[in-house]
Amino acid sequence: DIQMTQSPSSLSASVGDRVTITCQASQDISNYLNWYQQKPGKAPKLLIYDASNLETGVPSRFSGSGSGTDFTFTISSLQPEDIATYYCQQYDNLPPSFGGGTKVEIK
Amino acid sequence: QVQLVQSGAEVKKPGSSVKVSCKASGGTFSSYTISWVRQAPGQGLEWMGRIIPILGIANYAQKFQGRVTITADKSTSTAYMELSSLRSEDTAVYYCAVSQTHAFDIWGQGTMVTVSS
Repeated sequence: DIQMTQSPSSLSASVGDRVTITCQASQDISNYLNWYQQKPGKAPKLLIYDASNLETGVPSRFSGSGSGTDFTFTISSLQPEDIATYYCQQYDNLPPSFGGGTKVEIK
Repeated sequence: QVQLVQSGAEVKKPGSSVKVSCKASGGTFSSYTISWVRQAPGQGLEWMGRIIPILGIANYAQKFQGRVTITADKSTSTAYMELSSLRSEDTAVYYCAVSQTHAFDIWGQGTMVTVSS
């Protein structure tokens, strides 16, 4: 099974800050890497698919990059509504696997 | 746009089984894959298995092999996840999710399953 290592596990930043989350796969997954946002008590929501493609309707301050084993998720200017936990997920091989999550808070 | 509506919360005794439903609307049910993902309280996301309704084929995570059964009823556009031999560690929110490509594009609202004596 492919292991996904996500860091940091939590972060605190100010409104307007640039926020970066990393995700590392235990083996090459090409660009089969997705990013989700989960707000408390809600289902996850797909933000980025295939490493760098923005899902329809998702604000452009969210972006993703990377391929192979190393990936990055960025919020260019943190907004209060971005408070959530973010997960990476690989879909190259079964079983699909998720990173441990990054909880983003406002400083 | 596909929408998924799941069945309501359940409270079960250890050793029993639970069956959660996920009804799809607004799309072509047989044209995508439906997965089940669970989340224990305060924990991360864990994939349990999936079904491809048009083929009737299900795949399961090794951790749940023998305990989980995922089925789909094309006539009602409903997927089901049954988990047996429940234990306290199975207390979690269970989500269904549709994959039209290589991601979990659309999620159900979640079903809380509590296992308690």
